[in-house]
Amino acid sequence: AQSVTQLDSHVSVSEGTPVLLRCNYSSSYSPSLFWYVQHPNKGLQLLLKYTSAATLVKGINGFEAEFKKSETSFHLTKPSAHMSDAAEYFCVVSVASGGGYNKLIFGAGTRLAVHP
Amino acid sequence: DVKVTQSSRYLVKRTGEKVFLECVQDMDHENMFWYRQDPGLGLRLIYFSYDVKMKEKGDIPEGYSVSREKKERFSLILESASTNQTSMYLCASSPRTDLGYTQYFGPGTRLTVL
Repeated sequence: AQSVTQLDSHVSVSEGTPVLLRCNYSSSYSPSLFWYVQHPNKGLQLLLKYTSAATLVKGINGFEAEFKKSETSFHLTKPSAHMSDAAEYFCVVSVASGGGYNKLIFGAGTRLAVHP
Repeated sequence: DVKVTQSSRYLVKRTGEKVFLECVQDMDHENMFWYRQDPGLGLRLIYFSYDVKMKEKGDIPEGYSVSREKKERFSLILESASTNQTSMYLCASSPRTDLGYTQYFGPGTRLTVL
């Protein structure tokens, strides 16, 4: 069965330092993978997605993620954190639900705190 | 831009009440979804719909039902609300394409059942 594991429930960084949010997936075929971000009291926004094209995917706000099949990982990174990056981040895999339709499986989320 | 709207941001109901959560999307998407979000559990799929009048159970459909009479509108119904249904409810929509499609989310409805 397809699943997603976010390895850290909370990550805390200082402003200007790198961000690493870790995600491992389990899938029986080549998956589509996503990172979504949720700012306080806001809906989820797509950061980036991988759909079997380039393994290094660039997203909005300077984030990027690398698909590593050998490690079944899709970690999210940013070279320099900004205060506005404080939010909850979800790693997501898209799976076929049968009948030609597909659905998203969400990880439990990683809450990113950014300190001055 | 795709817009998904939900009828209420905050809702307080009493145990046993019938509750309707409404979701409307303006991009003519075929697929619509209802999730609930709880701390430490991420988002869990309650129901989804791939066409008007069509619905499929998600991972946690118990205690919920849905209605899709028009393509742009997808309603979540709690027939008899219970305290364990206190949660954030998120609606999403997407076009019916390949596995790489994107879901677009509404702002959520925070439901409290007393």
